[in-house]
Amino acid sequence: AQSVTQLDSQVPVFEEAPVELRCNYSSSVSVYLFWYVQYPNQGLQLLLKYLSGSTLVKGINGFEAEFNKSQTSFHLRKPSVHISDTAEYFCAVRKDSSYKLIFGSGTRLLVRP
Amino acid sequence: DAGVIQSPRHEVTEMGQEVTLRCKPISGHNSLFWYRQTMMRGLELLIYFNNNVPIDDSGMPEDRFSAKMPNASFSTLKIQPSEPRDSAVYFCASSPEASKGAIQYFGAGTRLSVL
Repeated sequence: AQSVTQLDSQVPVFEEAPVELRCNYSSSVSVYLFWYVQYPNQGLQLLLKYLSGSTLVKGINGFEAEFNKSQTSFHLRKPSVHISDTAEYFCAVRKDSSYKLIFGSGTRLLVRP
Repeated sequence: DAGVIQSPRHEVTEMGQEVTLRCKPISGHNSLFWYRQTMMRGLELLIYFNNNVPIDDSGMPEDRFSAKMPNASFSTLKIQPSEPRDSAVYFCASSPEASKGAIQYFGAGTRLSVL
């Protein structure tokens, strides 16, 4: 079965520091990869997605992610975080031709001043 | 567009009562999903509709849960009778299509507390 692993449940970081949130997936077939962000008391909002083509994907709010097929990873990065980036981040994967999004358990990014 | 609209935002009820959660998807979207989010289990897909037809309800926990989509602009998730373990945040999401890289757009959720 398909699965998504977000190893870090919480990542504390100081403002203006770089951050990487890790995501690994298990699948032997073509997949589509997504990162969603959830701010407190809100629904999930798409940050970025990888469908095909360039392995480096840029999203909103200065975030980017790199698809690494050999390592089955899709880590999310930002070179300099803001207090407002404090939120829960979810990695998700969907197999080609499937409607199901499989979500990871989420990583809480805590940005400190 | 106003996005996916869910109501109510918060619901507090007593065990045994019927609870109905409502969702209005984005106009023109033909796929609708209901999710449940808890600390223990994360985000779980409960049911998926395509063109108002339930396609996959394998995630519905038990017979106490039911979902309907009478038309393209409205869906309900009903729990009868409710139990404390149903306490969670329930999200509705819609998508313009069900396959490939189509994005799912989420509502703000309904936080359900069953006492």
